[in-house]
Amino acid sequence: AQSVAQPEDQVNVAEGNPLTVKCTYSVSGNPYLFWYVQYPNRGLQFLLKYITGDNLVKGSYGFEAEFNKSQTSFHLKKPSALVSDSALYFCAVRDPTGFQKLVFGTGTRLLVSP
Amino acid sequence: EAQVTQNPRYLITVTGKKLTVTCSQNMNHEYMSWYRQDPGLGLRQIYYSMNVEVTDKGDVPEGYKVSRKEKRNFPLILESPSPNQTSLYFCASSPLAGDGYEQYFGPGTRLTVT
Repeated sequence: AQSVAQPEDQVNVAEGNPLTVKCTYSVSGNPYLFWYVQYPNRGLQFLLKYITGDNLVKGSYGFEAEFNKSQTSFHLKKPSALVSDSALYFCAVRDPTGFQKLVFGTGTRLLVSP
Repeated sequence: EAQVTQNPRYLITVTGKKLTVTCSQNMNHEYMSWYRQDPGLGLRQIYYSMNVEVTDKGDVPEGYKVSRKEKRNFPLILESPSPNQTSLYFCASSPLAGDGYEQYFGPGTRLTVT
């Protein structure tokens, strides 16, 4: 069965420092991987996705993610964090047997301090 | 503006009182889905629909019903709500053709069943 693990419930980083939010996955076949962000009282917003091609994917708001097939990871990164990046981040993998179904991780709360 | 809308955004109800949460999208997407979000569990799929009159169960369908009579609408029905259905609910949509399309999420409906 497809699964996603986000090993950190919370990540704390100072503004201006680089940030990494970790995600590992388990899926049969080619993985389609996504990152979403949830701000308070808002729905999930799409950040970026990996379908095929370059292992470094660039997305919205300066975020990027690195796909590593050998480590089955898809970590989210940003070179310089902003206080406004504080939010809940979800990694998801498309279930290849479930049409467009997404399997989500449990989420990682990112706190960026001034 | 392309969007997924949900109503109501907040709902407090009592056990056993039937309720419907509406979902509508204006992007002509074939695929629509309902998820529930619970702390520590991420998002779990309740039901999905691949087109009008085509619906199927997700991972946690017990206690829920859906219908898809029009392409744009995908209401979630709780015929006899129970306290364990207290949760944050999200509707999502995406194109069905092709691979790797991200899903667009509504703003969420916070449901409390007492």
